[in-house]
Amino acid sequence: SQTIHQWPATLVQPVGSPLSLECTVEGTSNPNLYWYRQAAGRGLQLLFYSVGIGQISSEVPQNLSASRPQDRQFILSSKKLLLSDSGFYLCAWTRQGDSPLHFGNGTRLTVT
Amino acid sequence: RKEVEQDPGPFNVPEGATVAFNCTYSNSASQSFFWYRQDCRKEPKLLMSVYSSGNEDGRFTAQLNRASQYISLLIRDSKLSDSATYLCVVPLSNDYKLSFGAGTTVTVRA
Repeated sequence: SQTIHQWPATLVQPVGSPLSLECTVEGTSNPNLYWYRQAAGRGLQLLFYSVGIGQISSEVPQNLSASRPQDRQFILSSKKLLLSDSGFYLCAWTRQGDSPLHFGNGTRLTVT
Repeated sequence: RKEVEQDPGPFNVPEGATVAFNCTYSNSASQSFFWYRQDCRKEPKLLMSVYSSGNEDGRFTAQLNRASQYISLLIRDSKLSDSATYLCVVPLSNDYKLSFGAGTTVTVRA
């Protein structure tokens, strides 16, 4: 069966510090990978998605970036965090085609 | 028009009641639809997939109306544990993205 791992679960970082969130998927190959953010009390905002190694599509201009160094690894990064980067970050995967998304447990980031 | 729109709620219902709410979508070519539930401060979890006219899983029934471009979710015999936000998700055509509705909040009271 397929599983998705995302870490850390919670993170408190000062403004201006770097960020690295990692997500890995097991039990499948060539998944589509996604990073979403959810601000408190709001809906899910798609940040990045990837359909293959090294392929990244950005949805929202911001100070975040994503990378996919391996088929089942997706990393979300920032060089300098802003207060507005606080939120609940969710990694997700889906198979090719009309398949549902499967989410990781999420990372709750608080930028202070 | 937004790609996916949902009844925002909140729907506040007593235990045992039936509650139903809709999700409208703009892409007439969409072939698959998904309902997720999200508990407070948790990740969304897949509740139901719909690939044809509808789907039923226990107390939950999803019905698709392609002509009017909406999908509904009905919860029968509501339980306290059904309290959550329900998200409608629709894949976009010619793309790998899935569009999320803003969610419908359901609260079941004792």
